[in-house]
Amino acid sequence: EAQVTQNPRYLITVTGKKLTVTCSQNMNHEYMSWYRQDPGLGLRQIYYSMNVEVTDKGDVPEGYKVSRKEKRNFPLILESPSPNQTSLYFCASSSTGDNTEAFFGQGTRLTVV
Amino acid sequence: AQSVAQPEDQVNVAEGNPLTVKCTYSVSGNPYLFWYVQYPNRGLQFLLKYITGDNLVKGSYGFEAEFNKSQTSFHLKKPSALVSDSALYFCAVRDGTGGFKTIFGAGTRLFVKA
Repeated sequence: EAQVTQNPRYLITVTGKKLTVTCSQNMNHEYMSWYRQDPGLGLRQIYYSMNVEVTDKGDVPEGYKVSRKEKRNFPLILESPSPNQTSLYFCASSSTGDNTEAFFGQGTRLTVV
Repeated sequence: AQSVAQPEDQVNVAEGNPLTVKCTYSVSGNPYLFWYVQYPNRGLQFLLKYITGDNLVKGSYGFEAEFNKSQTSFHLKKPSALVSDSALYFCAVRDGTGGFKTIFGAGTRLFVKA
């Protein structure tokens, strides 16, 4: 089954404690992306990757890091989380054709206290 | 710059009635337009897309959308709403002239009352 898998689904952490949210896709997609979803703001792109070892900033990259060492994995790293990073996070993947839709993970609800 | 507007935070409709969820967009080139649906505690799921061709696009679960170039709109429609259609709906646009960035609207919550 084609899918994008995120872990964990829920996470409560304290300010400043480094964390990683994993994302893996089994569709051999080149393009992967991280979004955060906040009420009234829709989805905002954090980082994206066009392929292995190719990553770039989205609209709200501050406080986040990513890596793309393998095609299937695209982890999101928060080196020093802060309360304003409390949000619902989604990983997505797609092929790089212009007209292709994205496949989304189930989401990770992060709370930073 | 690309942008997407979903002017309604919430749409309420009775079961069996037709529904419309509105979306307008702005891109510099030809648009690629998408609708996604999000059910509670789930990720976004693709519903339908407009790339080129027929202005009326049909998608999953009986949904369709009409592309209107002059009004720069891509409204989502369904002839007869079901209670199970209650969810959060996102319109998204990608500029077809290049780049791969997709912009999402803020979302519209649809409530279908039995």
